[in-house]
Amino acid sequence: AQTVTQSQPEMSVQEAETVTLSCTYDTSESDYYLFWYKQPPSRQMILVIRQEAYKQQNATENRFSVNFQKAAKSFSLKISDSQLGDAAMYFCASYYQGGSEKLVFGKGTKLTVNP
Amino acid sequence: DGGITQSPKYLFRKEGQNVTLSCEQNLNHDAMYWYRQDPGQGLRLIYYSQIVNDFQKGDIAEGYSVSREKKESFPLTVTSAQKNPTAFYLCASNRQGGRRELFFGEGSRLTVL
Repeated sequence: AQTVTQSQPEMSVQEAETVTLSCTYDTSESDYYLFWYKQPPSRQMILVIRQEAYKQQNATENRFSVNFQKAAKSFSLKISDSQLGDAAMYFCASYYQGGSEKLVFGKGTKLTVNP
Repeated sequence: DGGITQSPKYLFRKEGQNVTLSCEQNLNHDAMYWYRQDPGQGLRLIYYSQIVNDFQKGDIAEGYSVSREKKESFPLTVTSAQKNPTAFYLCASNRQGGRRELFFGEGSRLTVL
C-alpha cells in the first residue's frame, strides 16, 4: 500500500520568515505525482504546488517551493516570506499511475503564522 | 463557472438513518472521489469512480455506498451500518490523464445525533 507521512502535526512561523514542512512517501511505482494542498479555515482544499516524479527540477510557485529527493522519497514544502494568509492545514499527497489511480494523503500539518 | 457542488453543506441526522450527500461537477471530468476527513486523520478515501457505471472501494468503504449513473454526479450514501458517521466529507474530481490534480468541492459536514 502506498503511504504518505507528515511527521510534524503542527508548525509555527513568524510573519515574513521561512518555514519548511516535511513529507515522506512510500511507493514502488516509477510514475507518480506529488502535491501539496492547503486547507484554510474555510475547509476549501486548494492546490499549492505539484511535482512530477520524472522531473528532477524542483517545482516553484511564487513563494512556495519544494525539495524533491526521489531516492530518499522525500517531498518537503518551503514557504518563504510567510504571510498571515498562509495559516492553514497543509496536506502532502501522492498520485500513482497504473492500477488504481487515486490520491493518497498524509495526515496534515497545521501551520500557524505569528504576526 | 466550472466547479464541484456539494450539498447540503451541513446535515444533521438521527442515529440509524441513511443519508445521501450530493456531489455534482460541470468540469467534464471522468473521475470522481469521496474522501472523509476527521481531526488528525487527514483525508481518507471512501469510494472513487473513473468512469460512468463503475466505481471502486477506497480504504474505508464499509458503511458507505455510491452510484455513478451520470458523468456529472457521484452521490454518497452513509448507511446505518457506518459506525461513526459524524465527519466532514469532501468530493473531488479530475480528468483522466493531464495534470492528475484533484479539484475539490466545499465539503459537507454530517453530524449524527
